[in-house]
Amino acid sequence: DQQVKQNSPSLSVQEGRISILNCDYTNSMFDYFLWYKKYPAEGPTFLISISSIKDKNEDGRFTVFLNKSAKHLSLHIVPSQPGDSAVYFCAARRLTGGGNKLTFGTGTQLKVEL
Amino acid sequence: NAGVTQTPKFRILKIGQSMTLQCTQDMNHNYMYWYRQDPGMGLKLIYYSVGAGITDKGEVPNGYNVSRSTTEDFPLRLELAAPSQTSVYFCASVALFNSPLHFGNGTRLTVT
Repeated sequence: DQQVKQNSPSLSVQEGRISILNCDYTNSMFDYFLWYKKYPAEGPTFLISISSIKDKNEDGRFTVFLNKSAKHLSLHIVPSQPGDSAVYFCAARRLTGGGNKLTFGTGTQLKVEL
Repeated sequence: NAGVTQTPKFRILKIGQSMTLQCTQDMNHNYMYWYRQDPGMGLKLIYYSVGAGITDKGEVPNGYNVSRSTTEDFPLRLELAAPSQTSVYFCASVALFNSPLHFGNGTRLTVT
């Protein structure tokens, strides 16, 4: 039962253009969402998060949008840079209870081409 | 400040052997976690701990054991290694609910 889904295993974008990574979730108890970035042979590193009381959070080139009614979130990267090439994981957590555990999606491999 | 440190980085085990994956953090975090990542599959939670002396099962605990005798250390034990345990294992920690998890760089384990 995959509660957090990333339906695109890979995405290729040209440098300078926008990258849009999508994530869907099924558990309505999730109310805090995070994006992690992972390079080969390294652990995931935190990128940006959003609470369910917001519909948008921005940090430099990275913006996360949350549509609670659709149980959908997306990560926008503008402009995309070659160093953004990595695997991006969407994750969700219940703010109350749940042991502060994260449920991860399967990841999207982003390739930013010159 | 080393963050989350995992050892070893790589290991090859024969079926039926046992081993302990080490994880230590120097950030005084209460919460610690073990995840495994299989190809094409996201990270699955094996075990977690909300503080020294307290551990609980995650999604995929079978075949593993953990202990948490100190705040810093959270070792993961495989008693009878099986090929299905071939994976990359990540340890993570966090201080507070509203903070993101900090991950180690992983242990790549192959069981043949």
